[in-house]
Parts: sequence; C-alpha cells; structure tokens
Amino acid sequence: DQQVKQNSPSLSVQEGRISILNCDYTNSMFDYFLWYKKYPAEGPTFLISISSIKDKNEDGRFTVFLNKSAKHLSLHIVPSQPGDSAVYFCAASRTGTASKLTFGTGTRLQVTL
Amino acid sequence: DTAVSQTPKYLVTQMGNDKSIKCEQNLGHDTMYWYKQDSKKFLKIMFSYNNKELIINETVPNRFSPKSPDKAHLNLHINSLELGDSAVYFCASRQGIAGGFNEQFFGPGTRLTVL
Repeated sequence: DQQVKQNSPSLSVQEGRISILNCDYTNSMFDYFLWYKKYPAEGPTFLISISSIKDKNEDGRFTVFLNKSAKHLSLHIVPSQPGDSAVYFCAASRTGTASKLTFGTGTRLQVTL
Repeated sequence: DTAVSQTPKYLVTQMGNDKSIKCEQNLGHDTMYWYKQDSKKFLKIMFSYNNKELIINETVPNRFSPKSPDKAHLNLHINSLELGDSAVYFCASRQGIAGGFNEQFFGPGTRLTVL
C-alpha cells in the first residue's frame, strides 16, 4: 500500500531547460511534503518543502507546487544544471505521527549537456 | 565535520549471523530514525527514538532491535540475518517530533549484503 507515488522512474532534460518531477499521494491526512535529492552512495539531502496550507514554495531554482484537490505535487527546477543529476524523492508526513516520513520510490533525473 | 555518520559503510555477512550498525549525529538533535531502502529503492521507516525513547516502531521483524544509549546515538542490531535483510540502511535525525517543518538529516547509508 504505497501512499506516495512517483510514477516516472527516470527523466532526461537538457541543460538550461525546465525539469518537472511529479508526485502523487493517496492519504489526505498528509499535511507536509518534502523533496529530497540523493546522489549515489550518499544519503538523501533535503531540498525543499511545502505545508498543506500553501500551494507554492520557491527557493532559488527550485519551486514546489501542491494541488491538494488532486493530491499531487511537483518539483520544478529552472534552469536545470548537470549537477542536478540525481535521484529525487518525494516524501510526506502527517501531524501527530512523530514526524514519520513516507517516501515515494524516486525519480532519476539526468541533465544532459 | 560529518553531521550524521554511520558505521560501517559496507557490511557483508553470512545468513544466520548477528550484526550491528551504528549511527551518531553531532547536530544536537533529539530525534533519530532508521530507514531501510530495499532492492526496489523503496525507502521505508523502521524505527524512531526521541530522547532515547522509542516513538515509532513499524512492522519490522523482532530480529531487528534498535538501541539508543543517548540522544546522539541510535544503533541497529540485527539477529539471525536473512537474505531478505540485504538493503541499504539509513540513519536520520531531526530536532523535535512535532509537525511543521520536518527536515530530517540523513547519514550516508550502510549497505548490508547477506550471503
């Protein structure tokens, strides 16, 4: 029973273009969403988050959009850079669950020259 | 200046053995977690401790036993290792357990291979 889904296992984007990574969730009780980035042989590192009371959060080249009615969020990276090539995990948490994170299966982003 | 460290980074062992993975954080956090990433790359929480008290205990075989000697350490002991235990185990930490901003800091992972 996978409550957070990333249906695209991989994505290839040219340098300078926009990367859009998508994430869907099924549990309407989730009220906080995060994106983590992971390089090979390293642990995930926090990228950006959004509370369910917002529909957009921006941090430099990274913007996360939340559509609660569709239970969908997306991460936009503009412009994409070769150093952005990594696996991106979407995660969700619910107040009152001791901050337990439920992760998606990840999307591998490849930014080509 | 590693924030969350794990030892060992790689662990290869035979079925039936008992092994431990250690985790330490120097961030001053009071909550620590163990996650398992299986062969399908699915990252799933196993345990969490807050101030040395167990607060999350997911459906994990009781061969897995976490131990938190203090707030900065959370170790994972695994008895009678099985082939299916082969995975990458990540430790993480954060400050507090309440909702809201919920950034967890992850260690580099321990790749366990059971032969």
